Amino acid sequence: LAKTTQPISMDSYEGQEVNITCSHNNIATNDYITWYQQFPSQGPRFIIQGYKTKVTNEVASLFIPADRKSSTLSLPRVSLSDTAVYYCLVAVSGGYNKLIFGAGTRLAVHP
Amino acid sequence: GAGVSQSPRYKVTKRGQDVALRCDPISGHVSLYWYRQALGQGPEFLTYFNYEAQQDKSGLPNDRFSAERPEGSISTLTIQRTEQRDSAMYRCASSLESPQETQYFGPGTRLLVL
Repeated sequence: LAKTTQPISMDSYEGQEVNITCSHNNIATNDYITWYQQFPSQGPRFIIQGYKTKVTNEVASLFIPADRKSSTLSLPRVSLSDTAVYYCLVAVSGGYNKLIFGAGTRLAVHP
Repeated sequence: GAGVSQSPRYKVTKRGQDVALRCDPISGHVSLYWYRQALGQGPEFLTYFNYEAQQDKSGLPNDRFSAERPEGSISTLTIQRTEQRDSAMYRCASSLESPQETQYFGPGTRLLVL
């Protein structure tokens, strides 16, 4: 199973861009990289998913280098409401999407 | 439309009692997952259903834990002879179909075993 490593916590201020990097050295050829966001007292919520290069949606961007051994979630101009735990996951290949969550990165956005 | 719902939202029980936790997935979602989440940790996979078939139960901690989804929709996670170490948030998720589909998580059931 591909293990992911990401910082335990990060701090930022409103209006700044936040980049959270995740390493996944043992990623398999068929694995996708997925990021989830979790607010206190809520279930995780899908943010973005990618396989290679760059993916952008209305919430975030995901940058994946050619070797796919790492990925960076970029949150533009964060606000206080972006304070949450962010999980980087590598989908386990094998016919279904068995999510293996790590401890995640606790992002605190300050005024 | 309605998201994933779980009931009860909170359950307090005494050690040794059985509990049944219910998950109602998003209508039409083929895949259903159960996770357990301890405080300050990420969710831990328990089991997975494709329609009514339980395809993976490798995450169930021991034989006191079981799950079913008899008609391919609502699922029940049952914990027999509960122990204090079973106290956690139990989360259900569903996805349209596999693989690589986005999973939508429910609000969870907070279980406290006294």
